[in-house]
Amino acid sequence: GNSVTQMEGPVTLSEEAFLTINCTYTATGYPSLFWYVQYPGEGLQLLLKATKADDKGSNKGFEATYRKETTSFHLEKGSVQVSDSAVYFCALPLIQGAQKLVFGQGTRLTINP
Amino acid sequence: ETGVTQSPTHLIKTRGQQVTLRCSSQSGHNTVSWYQQALGQGPQFIFQYYREEENGRGNFPPRFSGLQFPNYSSELNVNALELDDSALYLCASSRGGGALPTHFGPGTRLTVT
Repeated sequence: GNSVTQMEGPVTLSEEAFLTINCTYTATGYPSLFWYVQYPGEGLQLLLKATKADDKGSNKGFEATYRKETTSFHLEKGSVQVSDSAVYFCALPLIQGAQKLVFGQGTRLTINP
Repeated sequence: ETGVTQSPTHLIKTRGQQVTLRCSSQSGHNTVSWYQQALGQGPQFIFQYYREEENGRGNFPPRFSGLQFPNYSSELNVNALELDDSALYLCASSRGGGALPTHFGPGTRLTVT
């Protein structure tokens, strides 16, 4: 089945800093790719997705580009806020075409004012 | 519109006991997926239920079983609990058997002693 490797945390940044969280994947074909976010005390939420190579997913100022050449889907944000403090998970379907997901181990992000 | 809810929030069980966890899906969603999230790890897919039938299963032993009810709520049952079953159990709902889970519940924290 497919798998994902995610940048280990924790990551601590100051407000307005630039953020990158690395994610690389191993997959058969070209599956959709996802980033989920888990805010403190809440369930996971889909943050953004990309469904084909070179697609850019974006939401809430976050972006990630589907790079098939490097099998990567890095999460970026130009200027982070304290409210972005959360755990971020990269994910893709367990097998081609399925909506059962395999997740990375998560990256805890803390933004200091 | 209510989101995904889970109960109980947390519980403590003894090795060898049985446990039932509950999930109410988001309004209008007929598919429920269950995931196990060990401490410091990403969620792992347990199984999915669509229209009251199991619709895919991850690499979990048969002592993990589930049910989905006509109102699309769901239960996860774990028999013969082991220490390694200690984890956060997440439920996600979606619309359609092939749909991507967009929102997860806050989870049930199970501790096995």
